[in-house]
Amino acid sequence: EVQLVESGGGLVQPGGSLRLSCAASGFTFSSYWMHWVRQAPGKGLVWVSRIDTDGSSTNYADSVKGRFTISRDNAKNTVYLQMNSLRAEDTAVYYCARAGDSSGYLDSWGQGTLVTVSS
Amino acid sequence: SSELTQDPAVSVALGQTVRITCQGDGLRSYYASWYQQKPGQAPVLVIYGQNNRPSGIPDRFSGSSSGNTASLTITGAQAEDEADYYCNSRDSSGNHVVFGGGTKLTVL
Repeated sequence: EVQLVESGGGLVQPGGSLRLSCAASGFTFSSYWMHWVRQAPGKGLVWVSRIDTDGSSTNYADSVKGRFTISRDNAKNTVYLQMNSLRAEDTAVYYCARAGDSSGYLDSWGQGTLVTVSS
Repeated sequence: SSELTQDPAVSVALGQTVRITCQGDGLRSYYASWYQQKPGQAPVLVIYGQNNRPSGIPDRFSGSSSGNTASLTITGAQAEDEADYYCNSRDSSGNHVVFGGGTKLTVL
């Protein structure tokens, strides 16, 4: 069974940093692109970032480019999202998701971790 | 990057058929996929590719596409289908992924 478990969320002040982790199990992690998607309270899904199978290619939404960094450790079956210079508008539940293929569909999702940016 | 546009809300009578649409320039080049999200839960993939259902998704869910518009059709809507539905696809550059704003489906 595919499992994705996010961790690392919490309360952080504006301008602060946080690193999210997503531990994967139940599949060959190194064979799949991975994504982060966020959802502000009461709002819709917003794509954040993606990383290819070996970490050599990454893409970011314009709203986080230059502040967030996605990475992965295939030995640990884990994908990360380093978030710097956090803003109030980054407050959201952050989901990691597995890409079914390169077309962009996301076939498995974690339960999400809440990030709150507030003073 | 391209945007995907969805109607904010749609309603359907129990047992009837409903179509939820998604419009965007990127859909001329890439298929849309569709997700169901119930309150307090993570999204679940219900349709991907030309018209593929993951294991466990009822066959009352189907997808189609024409030009810049993708559609999710629920044939014989059930009470448990009441949820938010999101489309997504790659944008026209192919380097970004985009989501529609979501459609809240009410089953009457």
